[in-house]
Amino acid sequence: AQKVTQAQTEISVVEKEDVTLDCVYETRDTTYYLFWYKQPPSGELVFLIRRNSFDEQNEISGRYSWNFQKSTSSFNFTITASQVVDSAVYFCALTPSDNNNDMRFGAGTRLTVKP
Amino acid sequence: GAVVSQHPSRVICKSGTSVKIECRSLDFQATTMFWYRQFPKQSLMLMATSNEGSKATYEQGVEKDKFLINHASLTLSTLTVTSAHPEDSSFYICSARVVPGDTEAFFGQGTRLTVV
Repeated sequence: AQKVTQAQTEISVVEKEDVTLDCVYETRDTTYYLFWYKQPPSGELVFLIRRNSFDEQNEISGRYSWNFQKSTSSFNFTITASQVVDSAVYFCALTPSDNNNDMRFGAGTRLTVKP
Repeated sequence: GAVVSQHPSRVICKSGTSVKIECRSLDFQATTMFWYRQFPKQSLMLMATSNEGSKATYEQGVEKDKFLINHASLTLSTLTVTSAHPEDSSFYICSARVVPGDTEAFFGQGTRLTVV
């Protein structure tokens, strides 16, 4: 069974602060994919990153960075120098490699960045 | 990235009526589309997988006669909420994959349904 846990329901920071969103997952599959999506107030889901379970390299994209640690089953997301436009709900998701239709989402973390 | 368009973005309907939501892949063909439901401040729950030219596959607990899915073309899937009730009020969002079996999914803008 797959399960994604985002323990932080809501986070509030002041602009320019760094913030890390936690994601812990459970799976019995040896190969799987992890994702992060951003859902702004308008509602659509914006794809941020996909990570293969074999690739534990951390990734940086502008102010965004991701830390994948297979040993602790975590895939955390850090926003550096946060901005008001980063305010959104962020979802972590997991899908097994052998069943791409089965995408499980975490409960989401609502990030509010105050000016 | 690929574009998935969902229409309408908001709809209010009376109890007992039916509402149709469209999900279109604008710049690619999608043999498979997915329908999710999201309750306020909750996560997305997969309702069903829509397959072009064949019957949809529903998740456990989702009433197929209540939520009719039609995927008549490679660019359009529709979700019809039949005999709507206030408890059907929710945010419905679709997604599609550019490459069948690929893991990267693109999502529509979502439809906020309110049944009064």
